[in-house]
Amino acid sequence: GIQVEQSPPDLILQEGANSTLRCNFSDSVNNLQWFHQNPWGQLINLFYIPSGTKQNGRLSATTVATERYSLLYISSSQTTDSGVYFCAVTQGAQKLVFGQGTRLTINP
Amino acid sequence: DTGVSQNPRHKITKRGQNVTFRCDPISEHNRLYWYRQTLGQGPEFLTYFQNEAQLEKSRLLSDRFSAERPKGSFSTLEIQRTEQGDSAMYLCASSAQGGETQYFGPGTRLLVL
Repeated sequence: GIQVEQSPPDLILQEGANSTLRCNFSDSVNNLQWFHQNPWGQLINLFYIPSGTKQNGRLSATTVATERYSLLYISSSQTTDSGVYFCAVTQGAQKLVFGQGTRLTINP
Repeated sequence: DTGVSQNPRHKITKRGQNVTFRCDPISEHNRLYWYRQTLGQGPEFLTYFQNEAQLEKSRLLSDRFSAERPKGSFSTLEIQRTEQGDSAMYLCASSAQGGETQYFGPGTRLLVL
């Protein structure tokens, strides 16, 4: 099956810093979503982005489908951005295949 | 749009007991998914419904697990004869037909003692 790898596994930053999270996938996909999992376990949708670039406030994402990777950018980080960020893809079928996540810690 | 809801939010049970979880999808979403997440891992797919039909099951879904969606609305996930390895967060998601985005509920955290 398709493999999804996220990097880095852990990222510790000071408030106000910018960050880039990467998601590599091993085959072509027809869906890619980025999620933020908060400390209570809730998965919050950030982007549906199988290709192209999207922006939402301080967050933006770019997927280069031909090169099989996606990037999530967080600018001017806030402590509330802390948590685990997941990339997930589908490949024809409906089920999402998740990466292992990037744990982001923003210190005040 | 009230979002996906799941009940209970937490469940502690003894090994060998049966447990049942409920998921209410976003209204008018005809696709419903169950995932399981263990500590430090990403969620893993368990099963998927379109309306009341169960269209795909993961090999993770052993014979002790059963999921239903009898009227194409809410769904239940039952685990029989629970084992300590079943301890995990059980997540439900829904999506609209023709829509690719899956929306997740808050999850049910199961602890088997």
